[in-house]
Amino acid sequence: GDSVTQMEGPVTLSEEAFLTINCTYTATGYPSLFWYVQYPGEGLQLLLKATKADDKGSNKGFEATYRKETTSFHLEKGSVQVSDSAVYFCALSSQGAQKLVFGQGTRLTINP
Amino acid sequence: ETGVTQTPRHLVMGMTNKKSLKCEQHLGHNAMYWYKQSAKKPLELMFVYSLEERVENNSVPSRFSPECPNSSHLFLHLHTLQPEDSALYLCASSQGNQGPDTQYFGPGTRLTVL
Repeated sequence: GDSVTQMEGPVTLSEEAFLTINCTYTATGYPSLFWYVQYPGEGLQLLLKATKADDKGSNKGFEATYRKETTSFHLEKGSVQVSDSAVYFCALSSQGAQKLVFGQGTRLTINP
Repeated sequence: ETGVTQTPRHLVMGMTNKKSLKCEQHLGHNAMYWYKQSAKKPLELMFVYSLEERVENNSVPSRFSPECPNSSHLFLHLHTLQPEDSALYLCASSQGNQGPDTQYFGPGTRLTVL
């Protein structure tokens, strides 16, 4: 079945550091890929998405590129801020399916 | 604002109580979802409704009973719960398209079962 694997956390960085959170997936066909973010005490918010190979999703300085050859969708940001501290979830949605398959989440803490 | 609201935000109940969680979406979507988020476990999809019909039920115990009276409202009725059911319950909605379909989440209800 479909699955998503994220790098294990927690991840702790200093402000202005470069961020990468790895995500790889297993799916049949051509899934859509998503990154969601969950701030403390809140629900999940869509951060960015990509629907086909080589697409790049971007939002709030975060980027991720849909790489079909490596089945990856790594999340990157060039300079993180304290306000980026949250849990980040990678997810996929297979063609024609109405459900999301989530990774286990990566907790990110940014220190000033 | 996400456009998906959930009430209550926090709920404490005993194992013999009956309670209900409510979700409302203001986005004009046709599909709604219940997820369970437990500590140190991936999000678990519980139920999917599309145009008010249940289309997926992921082997959820019968002590959880969903209800979708219309495309804007979704309930999760709870009875005879166990302490291991304590978790954050998240509601989501989407257009319900067959193609790429983005889900929008509510803030969740934090449930504690004593």
